[in-house]
Amino acid sequence: AQSVTQLGSHVSVSEGALVLLRCNYSSSVPPYLFWYVQYPNQGLQLLLKYTTGATLVKGINGFEAEFKKSETSFHLTKPSAHMSDAAEYFCAVPNSGGYQKVTFGIGTKLQVIP
Amino acid sequence: GAGVSQTPSNKVTEKGKYVELRCDPISGHTALYWYRQSLGQGPEFLIYFQGTGAADDSGLPNDRFFAVRPEGSVSTLKIQRTERGDSAVYLCASSLRGQGSNEQFFGPGTRLTVL
Repeated sequence: AQSVTQLGSHVSVSEGALVLLRCNYSSSVPPYLFWYVQYPNQGLQLLLKYTTGATLVKGINGFEAEFKKSETSFHLTKPSAHMSDAAEYFCAVPNSGGYQKVTFGIGTKLQVIP
Repeated sequence: GAGVSQTPSNKVTEKGKYVELRCDPISGHTALYWYRQSLGQGPEFLIYFQGTGAADDSGLPNDRFFAVRPEGSVSTLKIQRTERGDSAVYLCASSLRGQGSNEQFFGPGTRLTVL
């Protein structure tokens, strides 16, 4: 079964600095990969979605993610952090046996320091 | 339009009691999912409905957990003989169809605390 690993449960960046949140997938190239964001006391919201063939995926709020097969990675980046980006971010992958079941990483909590 | 709603937002119960958690998906979405999110963890899949039927219930931890969706819209997650380990945020999501490419829209969750 597919899984994802998120390195760093907590990341702190200064306002205006680069945001880099790491995600690695487990094995074979998945057809889809997702990044979700969870703001305090809110439900998860889709940031962006990778589909087969894409390399650089652009999402909402200035976020993007680069799919690198050679590194089995799908890291999330944003050039300049805003205070409003403080949230928890989850990488997720559909189960290879049944795409409806999505497996989430443990999440990375992003703190933005003014 | 209205998003996914879940009620109650918070539920405190005593060990051994029965609880029901409700999910109202986005109108027209045929697929509905339940997840459980424990502290410090990502959401963990519980069950997936396509229409009225449970297409995949492999994530339900044991037979104390049961979910229904009798008319293909609202779903209820039922937990019998609750245990302290059941304390978590229970998330519901819906999507237009049950395909991996479809975005899942999440509700705000129900925080269940078992004392």
